[in-house]
Amino acid sequence: SQTIHQWPATLVQPVGSPLSLECTVEGTSNPNLYWYRQAAGRGLQLLFYSVGIGQISSEVPQNLSASRPQDRQFILSSKKLLLSDSGFYLCAWSMGDHSRFFGPGTRLTVL
Amino acid sequence: AQKVTQAQTEISVVEKEDVTLDCVYETRDTTYYLFWYKQPPSGELVFLIRRNSFDEQNEISGRYSWNFQKSTSSFNFTITASQVVDSAVYFCALSEDSGGGADGLTFGKGTHLIIQP
Repeated sequence: SQTIHQWPATLVQPVGSPLSLECTVEGTSNPNLYWYRQAAGRGLQLLFYSVGIGQISSEVPQNLSASRPQDRQFILSSKKLLLSDSGFYLCAWSMGDHSRFFGPGTRLTVL
Repeated sequence: AQKVTQAQTEISVVEKEDVTLDCVYETRDTTYYLFWYKQPPSGELVFLIRRNSFDEQNEISGRYSWNFQKSTSSFNFTITASQVVDSAVYFCALSEDSGGGADGLTFGKGTHLIIQP
């Protein structure tokens, strides 16, 4: 069966510091991968998605970037965090069949 | 453009009561997919159900049931004999066939369900 991992689970970072969140998927090959952010107030916003290694599509312009160095690895990064980057970050995967399965999330607080 | 509306921001019921969470969607596609997810306090989004637009049969899974009505563009979710563990935020979502796969999944704003003991 497929599983999806995210780390760290919780992160507190100062403004201006770099960020690296990692997501890995097990039990499947060539999945579509996604990064979502959920700010206070519960709305889910799609940040990035990837259909293959090195292929990244950005949904909204922002202070963040994503990379997919391996088939089942998806990384969310920032060079300099802003206060507005605080939120709950969720990684998800699918096989392009309209289903989407989410990881446990990373709660990021920028101070 | 696709849209999902969950008009109930928060619902509070006493344990063992039945509760229905409403979901109304908008789409121009004839082929689309509807979902419900549960987000407990831990934060993880738990997949509950996926329904495609060609299958209007209602579904029951234990205490959970889903009523899909294309005539009213609704996909409502009912919990029978609610339990405290059902307390969570529930999201309804829509994916259009033309925009599916890599993108195109639109979420409602969620309904916070509180089950009081």
